[in-house]
Amino acid sequence: EVQLQESGPGLVKPSQSLSLTCSVTGYSITSNYWGWIRKFPGNKMEWMGYISYSGSTSYNPSLKSRISITRDTSKNQFFLQLNSVTTEDTATYYCARSGDGYGNWGQGVMVTVSS
Amino acid sequence: DVVMTQTPPSLSVAIGQSVSISCKSSQSLVYSDGKTYLHWLLQSSGRSPKRLIYQVSNLDSGVPDRFSGTGSQKDFTLKISRVEAKDLGVYYCAQTTHFPNTFGAGTKLELK
Repeated sequence: EVQLQESGPGLVKPSQSLSLTCSVTGYSITSNYWGWIRKFPGNKMEWMGYISYSGSTSYNPSLKSRISITRDTSKNQFFLQLNSVTTEDTATYYCARSGDGYGNWGQGVMVTVSS
Repeated sequence: DVVMTQTPPSLSVAIGQSVSISCKSSQSLVYSDGKTYLHWLLQSSGRSPKRLIYQVSNLDSGVPDRFSGTGSQKDFTLKISRVEAKDLGVYYCAQTTHFPNTFGAGTKLELK
């Protein structure tokens, strides 16, 4: 069974970087596509980007150059870094297997951007 | 970006009732391979989203056949027959045909 679990700080100060880890079990991240999605207060969902089985990445243009997704295949983990955060980045962040239309999701981590 | 318009934003239902949720896209969701990458997700209270249906009409494993998805091109519908309490939550349509992937705004299904 594929399982994903996000981890990282729940509070980040404005202008700093948000860093999250997604640990995957039951499936190798060297197969398929692995993405980050966030849900804002009020239900809006936004696809942030993904890292592919080969390590290539694709990002939502709305995030411009603030986002980076990387991976560690030896640990079967992938990572999100979002730079220069503002209060607008307050959301619940999910990792998901996205190559098949979001077939598996992590439990999510709520991140608040506040001083 | 492809805009996904979901209606209604909320639905109040009685147990046993049937309901439908509409999802309309601003562009056709047919990909160059001929497939349509429109999916339906449910987020129950306090839980992460769970996919129910992929590529318009294919039920995920374990999803009861009370759920059905139909549609084509730009117009899609999720139907839930004989609603049960465990069906309550927020339903989203999502498209993965076009870059960037986008989601509908959600339809909250609650008890009348």
